[in-house]
Amino acid sequence: DAGITQSPRYKITETGRQVTLMCHQTWSHSYMFWYRQDLGHGLRLIYYSAAADITDKGEVPDGYVVSRSKTENFPLTLESATRSQTSVYFCASSGDTQYFGPGTRLTVL
Amino acid sequence: AQSVSQHNHHVILSEAASLELGCNYSYGGTVNLFWYVQYPGQHLQLLLKYFSGDPLVKGIKGFEAEFIKSKFSFNLRKPSVQWSDTAEYFCAVNAGAGNNRKLIWGLGTSLAVNP
Repeated sequence: DAGITQSPRYKITETGRQVTLMCHQTWSHSYMFWYRQDLGHGLRLIYYSAAADITDKGEVPDGYVVSRSKTENFPLTLESATRSQTSVYFCASSGDTQYFGPGTRLTVL
Repeated sequence: AQSVSQHNHHVILSEAASLELGCNYSYGGTVNLFWYVQYPGQHLQLLLKYFSGDPLVKGIKGFEAEFIKSKFSFNLRKPSVQWSDTAEYFCAVNAGAGNNRKLIWGLGTSLAVNP
């Protein structure tokens, strides 16, 4: 089915561990985005990508790494998870409009 | 810096009441404007968007929004809300109208509709 998917949907990890959140879209959109959503802060952009092999920092990139070797995939890696990275993470892809994945709820203990 | 302001953080209404949520942005050039809705526990879904043309835009589920360029506003309206409209509503702006697809987001308005 066409759309945008994220995995895992829920993840519990420990401080210091590496975690990778996956995002896959089937629309062949050039642009993809990673956001985190926290109470009181709304949506904050972590990283975005204009095309394969082109990525750029958003508002809150520290502690995160992204890659985009294929147009359809845009994984987000937390290199050494911290408790402050407990959040809901949304991936989005965009033609002229951003469409969102279902989200990943990450808890860092 | 460019910004989006949603004036109402929390709104409580009774069913059948009319709704208007404010959204103002700070950018003097061409903009694309969006309203998204997030139902409890779900992801953001597009309600409506404005790129050009008629400044009164109709979206899904009976929502509409009016772009007033002189006021830098894009307010969301619905004449009669339902309990199922309980959700978080986000206004977003693409300043420069599409150059990099990045959106500037408001902090959201939480709407609770009492049955």
